[in-house]
Amino acid sequence: DAGVIQSPRHEVTEMGQEVTLRCKPISGHDYLFWYRQTMMRGLELLIYFNNNVPIDDSGMPEDRFSAKMPNASFSTLKIQPSEPRDSAVYFCASSSTGAGEKLFFGSGTQLSVL
Amino acid sequence: KQEVTQIPAALSVPEGENLVLNCSFTDSAIYNLQWFRQDPGKGLTSLLLIQSSQREQTSGRLNASLDKSSGRSTLYIAASQPGDSATYLCAVSSMEYGNKLVFGAGTILRVKS
Repeated sequence: DAGVIQSPRHEVTEMGQEVTLRCKPISGHDYLFWYRQTMMRGLELLIYFNNNVPIDDSGMPEDRFSAKMPNASFSTLKIQPSEPRDSAVYFCASSSTGAGEKLFFGSGTQLSVL
Repeated sequence: KQEVTQIPAALSVPEGENLVLNCSFTDSAIYNLQWFRQDPGKGLTSLLLIQSSQREQTSGRLNASLDKSSGRSTLYIAASQPGDSATYLCAVSSMEYGNKLVFGAGTILRVKS
């Protein structure tokens, strides 16, 4: 398996623009997690899905953030409108049984909002 | 509220040394603890997962121990190599947070050749 695949690797955009981050989890994994990593706050869980259904989105910072998982092999995280404070590395991760098993991370998307 | 602390924040050692990284957590009601490695510009790689009923896990030169009652875990790296240079993070899943992992801030390890 190719592992968790994220795109794009890097995204540079201007404040106010819409940003869409994409993730393909490992085939057969029922759980998908979106994390954000910054120097100040470390790794934060934004939202996670189980069998394509959002289970907990309490970590989503504002209504500007939204996430979808239309099928078992694809998820998106959208920021609209983007702001400079959204600049961070966004990771997608998947696992077969939630936190009870090893978590597999993608390589991340480095987002810079100017 | 579960909080995870890692000490030291950074560590620099000569090649060949054995070393210990520390992780502590405030709520002992955990399901498991994972140690991850993160290379610059990369995602996290899970190294070892210890279930709450276990005391340790080993993989090659890595050994992780867990003392749930005292809220502590250690990652022991034997005969360190320059290729071990990375950031090491620990994370716990606890009954309070279910499937949410709570991460420590990490220890930045540099192994000098």
